[in-house]
Amino acid sequence: GAGVSQTPSNKVTEKGKYVELRCDPISGHTALYWYRQSLGQGPEFLIYFQGTGAADDSGLPNDRFFAVRPEGSVSTLKIQRTERGDSAVYLCASRPAGGGDTQYFGPGTRLTVL
Amino acid sequence: GENVEQHPSTLSVQEGDSAVIKCTYSDSASNYFPWYKQELGKRPQLIIDIRSNVGEKKDQRIAVTLNKTAKHFSLHITETQPEDSAVYFCAARASGTYKYIFGTGTRLKVLA
Repeated sequence: GAGVSQTPSNKVTEKGKYVELRCDPISGHTALYWYRQSLGQGPEFLIYFQGTGAADDSGLPNDRFFAVRPEGSVSTLKIQRTERGDSAVYLCASRPAGGGDTQYFGPGTRLTVL
Repeated sequence: GENVEQHPSTLSVQEGDSAVIKCTYSDSASNYFPWYKQELGKRPQLIIDIRSNVGEKKDQRIAVTLNKTAKHFSLHITETQPEDSAVYFCAARASGTYKYIFGTGTRLKVLA
C-alpha cells in the first residue's frame, strides 16, 4: 500500500511568513509523529499524536509551532512568523495501531526560510 | 529526559570489512532501540531494532547488541558493500512513552 506522504516536498518562504506542512500517514496508522532534521543531525522530536489528540508536544520549540490532526489521519504542522533558524527538513512518521514499535517515515518537506 | 549519543560521526571502511557504530543512552527506563539507515535525500528506513529483554539480534549481515548495565548499544555490519554507504541513526524510546530520541548520526562510507 501507499506509504507516508508529505506535501509540499520543498517550501521556500520569507522570514516572518506563515507556513503549513501536510502529512498523510499510512491508512489505519493511529500514531503520527513530526520531527525536524537539520543538516548533519538526527531527527529531532517535535510532537506525537495518538488519534486526534497530541499525546506529547514537548518537542515543539516555541509557541510559533503548532500541529493539528482533526480527524485522526492527516496532520498539518503550522509555523507562524518563520525565522531563518526554522530552515530544516520536516519529517513525518506514522506507526500502526496495536502498539507496534516501528515508525514509517515520509520523504520530508524541506523548508527554507530566506 | 532521554539523551542519546552516537559515535563515530563518520566512518570509512574498505569493502568487505566490518563496521561498528556505537550509541549510549541516559534513561535507564528505555526499552526499545531501533536503527535507521538514511540515504542522501531519502527518508530514514528501519534496518533493525532490539528490545531490552534481549542482548543481541541478527539479521543477515546486520546485528545489534545491547548492554543495559552500561546503557549502550551497537550496530554491527559485516562484509560491507558499497550500497551500505549512508547515514545511520540510532534511537531510544523510554518505557511508558512513544517518544523516540535519535542520535546525531554516523556517515558510513564503504570504499570499493
